[in-house]
Amino acid sequence: NAGVTQTPKFQVLKTGQSMTLQCAQDMNHEYMSWYRQDPGMGLRLIHYSVGAGITDQGEVPNGYNVSRSTTEDFPLRLLSAAPSQTSVYFCASNTRTGRETQYFGPGTRLLVL
Amino acid sequence: DQQVKQNSPSLSVQEGRISILNCDYTNSMFDYFLWYKKYPAEGPTFLISISSIKDKNEDGRFTVFLNKSAKHLSLHIVPSQPGDSAVYFCAATSSGGSNYKLTFGKGTLLTVNP
Repeated sequence: NAGVTQTPKFQVLKTGQSMTLQCAQDMNHEYMSWYRQDPGMGLRLIHYSVGAGITDQGEVPNGYNVSRSTTEDFPLRLLSAAPSQTSVYFCASNTRTGRETQYFGPGTRLLVL
Repeated sequence: DQQVKQNSPSLSVQEGRISILNCDYTNSMFDYFLWYKKYPAEGPTFLISISSIKDKNEDGRFTVFLNKSAKHLSLHIVPSQPGDSAVYFCAATSSGGSNYKLTFGKGTLLTVNP
């Protein structure tokens, strides 16, 4: 199993550009989440999904969209990038009952100029 | 309002000694607590957890203690090894909520010196 994979590993955007951060998992987990990590801020939940077709907002959802058309994939879209979205983004997945075992991807480092 | 607090941004210990990482929480609904470990350029990995019905959970060199009345938990690493050098995140969730919603602290950078 590859676990949770994220692409790209690193991306530079200009203010106003859009892009999609990809996340995929091959563990058949129901739940998937997106976090951002900023210096001195820990991990903050952006959006999450409890299954295909179901998504909801986390703590810091503004400026981001998500969709979950399949169990495996959970892309995060930045509609119009802003410098405040410069961060490291982590995708995670877990089973319905295994709340302690959130498996994280390696992260995408995003720089918005 | 920060519901999970790790007040020490960094901690430095000598190899072989004990490392104690602390975490405080304010939300009384939290009843399950977790520690994650993160190396640079990698995603966090689950380390150990504890339910609020317990006050201690042990896994090898790692022990987590929970003091519910003080809303405080700590992670003890004995003996500390250089490979333990990483950022440690405390996280909490409530069984009454969705189990995928973890609230994380800001993390503590542990450095174990040889």
